[in-house]
Order: sequence, then structure tokens, then C-alpha cells
Amino acid sequence: GAGVSQSPSNKVTEKGKDVELRCDPISGHTALYWYRQSLGQGLEFLIYFQGNSAPDKSGLPSDRFSAERTGGSVSTLTIQRTQQEDSAVYLCASSLGRDTGELFFGEGSRLTVL
Amino acid sequence: SQQGEEDPQALSIQEGENATMNCSYKTSINNLQWYRQNSGRGLVHLILIRSNEREKHSGRLRVTLDTSKKSSSLLITASRAADTASYFCATGKGNKLVFGAGTILRVKS
Repeated sequence: GAGVSQSPSNKVTEKGKDVELRCDPISGHTALYWYRQSLGQGLEFLIYFQGNSAPDKSGLPSDRFSAERTGGSVSTLTIQRTQQEDSAVYLCASSLGRDTGELFFGEGSRLTVL
Repeated sequence: SQQGEEDPQALSIQEGENATMNCSYKTSINNLQWYRQNSGRGLVHLILIRSNEREKHSGRLRVTLDTSKKSSSLLITASRAADTASYFCATGKGNKLVFGAGTILRVKS
């Protein structure tokens, strides 16, 4: 497809389990972002990838969160030992280049931790 | 803390009226962007204004930027029921785009 694709769209898991969320950015976009949006809130920056540069991980809330981007394309956000406060919508976005130009968002992955 | 803060938090207007939303930020920026989010969906980019620009138009949207006051406004003219959504401002500096908490706009038909 032409847009940013995220999977799964919905994930329900039990506290303590690990989850993986996937993002497939727009082809040719070198920048990729992960954000978290709690119910009725704004977007919280998590991590940023730009080309082959070291990612900006400054927004990751704890060491239970990690992300990788393979081959400069698909990205996976992993949350280990999930907690109830991890429940949120995780949004991925991509953009063309290094400057903070227009971001193209996926529809998000809604995570519910029971 | 978030860079951008929108005001008001919620706005309810009649179809045909204009809607104005404001955004304030704290540090220097390269650009400021406005995004729209329909309930349960991803964000859609509306307009980008650079730090050396003061006003920009796109269809029924008008954005202003006052870097001396560190503020921006989004005006939607002749609103429609389909404009009902959350609107977010986002400020760009370096490699981060930082979002505010958003304004919920409801347009009643």
C-alpha cells in the first residue's frame, strides 16, 4: 500500500507478557518515528530513526521498551513485561528526510494490558 | 513536558461558523505544524508553517505564527460537520516533532 502500515491494529495481552508492534513505513522515507497516545491525550515521543544513524531513544519511558529498524525500512517496537500503564495507542509515522517536515502516520496499534 | 499547548481544550460551534484554535510553545522552533485526528484514527497533516513565515493558507485553513510570542493559531472558516475531530499543533526542532495535547472540535449541524 501507499501509506504507513501498522500491525496488529489491536492487541490485548496479560500483564507481564512481551508484545511486538510492527510498522511498515512509506517506501523511500528515511525517517521513522514511534509515538504513544494515551486515552484523550496528546502524543508522547518515544523513538526516532533516521537512515543509518543511531536512533534517538530519548523518549523511551523505561528499559522495558526497545525498538529496531531493519534494513532502513520496517520497524518493530517491543515492550517487555508489559504493565497496565503501557495500555495506549502506539502510532508510527514516517517522513522523507532529516528535517522535521510532514509526518505520515499509520492508523496505530491499540494495546490493552489486562 | 510538552512543547506545544493548545487552547481551548474543547470547542463546540455551529456549522458555518469559524473555529479558532491556539497553540503556544516554549523554545525556538524550525517549523510548526497542525494535524487533525478523527476518533480512533491516525493523524493527518494539515499545514506546515516555517519559523520565518507569519501566515499561511490552505483551502479553508489559515495559520498564523508569531515567533516573538511563541504562539500560533489555526482558523477553520465556514466549518462543516465533517471538520469534527481533534486538532494538534506540533513543533519541530532538530529531529523531533513534539505534539501538544490537542483541541477537540465539535461542529454541530
